[in-house]
Formats: sequence, C-alpha cells, structure tokens
Amino acid sequence: EPEVTQTPSHQVTQMGQEVILRCVPISNHLYFYWYRQILGQKVEFLVSFYNNEISEKSEIFDDQFSVERPDGSNFTLKIRSTKLEDSAMYFCASRWTSGFSYEQYFGPGTRLTVT
Amino acid sequence: DAKTTQPPSMDCAEGRAANLPCNHSTISGNEYVYWYRQIHSQGPQYIIHGLKNNETNEMASLIITEDRKSSTLILPHATLRDTAVYYCIAPDQGGKLIFGQGTELSVKP
Repeated sequence: EPEVTQTPSHQVTQMGQEVILRCVPISNHLYFYWYRQILGQKVEFLVSFYNNEISEKSEIFDDQFSVERPDGSNFTLKIRSTKLEDSAMYFCASRWTSGFSYEQYFGPGTRLTVT
Repeated sequence: DAKTTQPPSMDCAEGRAANLPCNHSTISGNEYVYWYRQIHSQGPQYIIHGLKNNETNEMASLIITEDRKSSTLILPHATLRDTAVYYCIAPDQGGKLIFGQGTELSVKP
C-alpha cells in the first residue's frame, strides 16, 4: 500500500542553523501539506501546496519557512534560521484530488530538536 | 478554530464497541465530516468521512444525524491497538485540517 515517507526521522540542530525536512508524498497525489505538533499540543497546519505553488499558509509559516517540490517526487520544508520554539514533530501529508475528497495521508513525521 | 467539539476522553473495554461522539452544529450543508486518529505521536491516520449518509469501511462506521449537527464514530470491536486520540474534523474548502483536542480513547483489557 502506498505511503508517505519522511526523512530524517529525527533531526537535532543548533539554534540559527538551517534545516531541510524531506517528504516523499504518495506518487499520484496532487496536494501537499506540512503540519507541526509541539510536544503535548495540537497538530497545527503550516502550509498547503498545489501546482507548484503555495495555496494557503498559516500565521506560523513566516519568512523563515519555505517549501519546495524540487523534482517529481520530493516535497521539502526548509527552516532558514531555527529557533528553540521550532522544536516539534513535523508531519507531511498528501491527497489526491480536488472536489470534496479531503482524505489526507500523513507521513510518520520528523522530530526536530533545536538546541 | 475547529468547527467540532468532542469529549476529551473515553474508556472502552477490549472487544466492545467504542462509540465516539462529535458535535458539529455549525458546519454547512456541503461540508463533510472527517475522522482521523493519532496513535502516540505517530502521523495522523485517516479513518472515514461522510456527508449525510451513514458510512462503513474496514476500520469503522460513521453515523451522522439527520440534521447533521452531530455524528458518532463506531469502532465495532475495539482492540488495545485502537488506543489513540480521535479527531472529528470538518475541512474548509482549501482542504486544510484544523485539529482540535480530540477524544483520547483508552481501550482497556
């Protein structure tokens, strides 16, 4: 069964460093998402991406964040200069189509620890 | 903000049906109700969705009231592996999911 994969599973970085989180969505999916979950808190929407551009972003997704689909398979989230409060689980998700079919399939997540 | 409300926690005996309620009295007529679950910080997992009619798949059943103000997710024979946080979500037109606190279901032996 196709699944969303994410790498790395755990990333430790120092404050101020750049990190890139990688995701491989399900191959025929067209919509891509990033969410994050700070330990003990709710899952929060960050950004959605369709047709090679951002379709929606939250207030969390400021200028320090960017997303890219550099080739036909990968979907990346870059944080330019990490802060302590960026420590969280980051989940990538994808879905197939438009209309009212909003089933999203999530990856296992990347745990980002900023020290 | 989430358009749904759920009880914060529920217990269920292993092998029994788990019935998880959700109130969504403010959703519009064309907004689907989706259920996801998250097992211990893993990625959320899609379970089922519906609009007006009751739905069933290999994981669960979804019962939606006729007035669409509430729904119930039914896990017919809960197992210990069904222990998770269950989220009832009505996505907006853009498709993004707004997670509330969900219901923490504990399945006990």
